[in-house]
Amino acid sequence: GAGVSQSPRYKVAKRGQDVALRCDPISGHVSLFWYQQALGQGPEFLTYFQNEAQLDKSGLPSDRFFAERPEGSVSTLKIQRTQQEDSAVYLCASSPSAVLKNIQYFGAGTRLSVL
Amino acid sequence: AQTVTQSQPEMSVQEAETVTLSCTYDTSESNYYLFWYKQPPSRQMILVIRQEAYKQQNATENRFSVNFQKAAKSFSLKISDSQLGDTAMYFCAFATGNQFYFGTGTSLTVIP
Repeated sequence: GAGVSQSPRYKVAKRGQDVALRCDPISGHVSLFWYQQALGQGPEFLTYFQNEAQLDKSGLPSDRFFAERPEGSVSTLKIQRTQQEDSAVYLCASSPSAVLKNIQYFGAGTRLSVL
Repeated sequence: AQTVTQSQPEMSVQEAETVTLSCTYDTSESNYYLFWYKQPPSRQMILVIRQEAYKQQNATENRFSVNFQKAAKSFSLKISDSQLGDTAMYFCAFATGNQFYFGTGTSLTVIP
């Protein structure tokens, strides 16, 4: 596709449910990032992949958060046993190379609401 | 620790006028990049302008320019000839290594 695609656009979950958020990066992009954006805040880094390797997961807030990119393209962010504080917009970004990983193209995000 | 501070939560400007958005950052890194991103209501972050820290010359992209003061750790964005389509949240961001750090944003409204 022409840009970074994220699905679903909106997700409502009951507290305690597991959710999976999908990111389709721009074709051929090596680097992929996940961010969490709380209401009224800037995005906060969660994790970074270079191809299928998760090189940095220091931003994941707890062990309930898990991200994967098994074939180096599509990535999934999974949140287990969701809690109200997980409510946020989750943004995905991709970048054409590891060297140019600071040039990021963002998706429109998934808005997660935990009730 | 890296931090990015945007001290203006909201700003407004008359159409066709010029506005400057402020950003300061704190880091001990010597090699980094600075960005301004625009986030309209559609939520998609759009890169406005990018500055490498090792370059002294201020970046310019059409109506958008920056004033990069490395010693002061300041990185302001100037928008000239403001247009209605410039209405959005603007985020200042700092990148080093694998990580990006964003400020809390400035909501800019362009008034017709």
